[in-house]
Amino acid sequence: DSGVTQTPKHLITATGQRVTLRCSPRSGDLSVYWYQQSLDQGLQFLIQYYNGEERAKGNILERFSAQQFPDLHSELNLSSLELGDSALYFCASSVEDRGHNSPLHFGNGTRLTVT
Amino acid sequence: AQSVTQPDIHITVSEGASLELRCNYSYGATPYLFWYVQSPGQGLQLLLKYFSGDTLVQGIKGFEAEFKRSQSSFNLRKPSVHWSDAAEYFCAVGGRGSQGNLIFGKGTKLSVKP
Repeated sequence: DSGVTQTPKHLITATGQRVTLRCSPRSGDLSVYWYQQSLDQGLQFLIQYYNGEERAKGNILERFSAQQFPDLHSELNLSSLELGDSALYFCASSVEDRGHNSPLHFGNGTRLTVT
Repeated sequence: AQSVTQPDIHITVSEGASLELRCNYSYGATPYLFWYVQSPGQGLQLLLKYFSGDTLVQGIKGFEAEFKRSQSSFNLRKPSVHWSDAAEYFCAVGGRGSQGNLIFGKGTKLSVKP
């Protein structure tokens, strides 16, 4: 158990809809990262928050947004969903915001299916 | 362009046999290199990492990897595979900036024959 909790585990929704994925980081970790894992693109970094502030942005679409709350949990909002957004979305957490001395701890992911 | 290539999509080895998973990277700056493992239905777990120093790094579960700058490679090895090693393995590269902004390879799925 990594200590990172993601909810829900599975989500099925229709095109055009909006969903929110939730992540609770490991106790003591201040950074939260979101990744998308799809068959064609593989695992891609979306965005990072550290202690409530956005730290780094990757290949995140404008239809997607995220935030980190004062209690350090994070939400990833996906809107105007398209079939191609179907993927496994991972959250990871770590103590640091930069550097690589502490490992990333991954949650088990939320599987999003857009029909 | 920055990228990670794992040439083998799927590898099958017999239990007890040795294993080598290949990883080649392209990265403009000094690379930080990682191997992660993903079991079915689970998130990724860090096996080992290389930042600098000794080019042969030891990780968890008996895995090791060797960094070869001249070949831009970071291959993962294990002398004797166990059935529980069946999983998907990802090589990743990052820089000194944001820790989580890693570039991952597409992964190699390992199957283990009894």
